[in-house]
Amino acid sequence: KAGVTQTPRYLIKTRGQQVTLSCSPISGHRSVSWYQQTPGQGLQFLFEYFSETQRNKGNFPGRFSGRQFSNSRSEMNVSTLELGDSALYLCASRREIGAEKLFFGSGTQLSVL
Amino acid sequence: DAKTTQPTSMDCAEGRAANLPCNHSTISGNEYVYWYRQIHSQGPQYIIHGLKNNETNEMASLIITEDRKSSTLILPHATLRDTAVYYCIVRVAPTDSWGKFQFGAGTQVVVTP
Repeated sequence: KAGVTQTPRYLIKTRGQQVTLSCSPISGHRSVSWYQQTPGQGLQFLFEYFSETQRNKGNFPGRFSGRQFSNSRSEMNVSTLELGDSALYLCASRREIGAEKLFFGSGTQLSVL
Repeated sequence: DAKTTQPTSMDCAEGRAANLPCNHSTISGNEYVYWYRQIHSQGPQYIIHGLKNNETNEMASLIITEDRKSSTLILPHATLRDTAVYYCIVRVAPTDSWGKFQFGAGTQVVVTP
């Protein structure tokens, strides 16, 4: 069974631009979460989607948004990029909202110049 | 969710057991202890979780003290591939919840030949 797939693997953008990251969960998994990881702040929760609805949200500004499609694939969008948005963005899926195990992808490394 | 305290780093000799401590003195009765690890350039990987009884799987063993205020993850025979950051997480896990996992700074484990 294929794991969580994130594309692209690496991305370079400039300040002010916007970016869209993609995540395909494990087949049969209906919940997708997004995390931001930086050396200074560690792993921080962005949001979780289930059945195309956002179920949980972390403490990030409105420039960070996401959505989930009917096939459970998810996208995350960051508008008006700032230098501090440079990070590894990780997607995780699980079968149901209450499922105990999160399965992570390898992430998208975003660099903002 | 309760907070956890882990050592910043620890070394372990290859082939020996690695014992990773975690303090969670404010844990509630319905909170589980989870362990994940993150190998460099990859997303976190689930290892094991438990409520009050000791648990063992193919990867590791989890020992939870009787008062549940601390726990120890045991890697029975550490290999070089076990070099990673290990996260101890405490969270409520009811089956109908869509809570979020909170990752702390974790413990950097380095396994040496």
